Amino acid sequence: GAVVSQHPSWVICKSGTSVKIECRSLDFQATTMFWYRQFPKQSLMLMATSNEGSKATYEQGVEKDKFLINHASLTLSTLTVTSAHPEDSSFYICSARGGPSSAGGQYFGPGTRLTVT
Amino acid sequence: RKEVEQDPGPFNVPEGATVAFNCTYSNSASQSFFWYRQDCRKEPKLLMSVYSSGNEDGRFTAQLNRASQYISLLIRDSKLSDSATYLCVVKLYNQGGKLIFGQGTELSVKP
Repeated sequence: GAVVSQHPSWVICKSGTSVKIECRSLDFQATTMFWYRQFPKQSLMLMATSNEGSKATYEQGVEKDKFLINHASLTLSTLTVTSAHPEDSSFYICSARGGPSSAGGQYFGPGTRLTVT
Repeated sequence: RKEVEQDPGPFNVPEGATVAFNCTYSNSASQSFFWYRQDCRKEPKLLMSVYSSGNEDGRFTAQLNRASQYISLLIRDSKLSDSATYLCVVKLYNQGGKLIFGQGTELSVKP
């Protein structure tokens, strides 16, 4: 099946610093990538949708200047959390679409757990 | 009102029990429906799609009622390995195929 990787799997950073999370589709070309955030005991919330080569579309309430998304190729998207604060601590999960038909052809990465101290 | 609502849980059941999860959705434009399973600190994994005709995969049975905007998942003969959080998910084709997740219902199967 289609595989999506994320790196790093976990990261601890100091408040005010920036963190970059990579999402890669390993064996298929992802025309669309989605970034989600999940706080403890809560649902996955879609942050933004990105199509290769174009600007990301952010969900209401998500600051595009704080969460920078780049989808420069069909296999790589990055999410940069700028000037991170403790309230940004969360589980960030990417998802890529474009592989074989299953769940609408959308595959999830293993997630990145961010802790901001 | 949340777009996708699920039973609050947690559900604590003995091995071998039958357990049912319910889910309702508010967006009538929702076109596809799924149940995902999420283990602690892991990404969600697709369990099964849900169809109006009902579908079964081993011990799991899913059902969709479009008129009531209601989705269900039945797990028979529950195993310890079924312990996880079960997420009800709807796909909105009129919004670029966005997946909307319910909060999830935690299931704990005890020996």
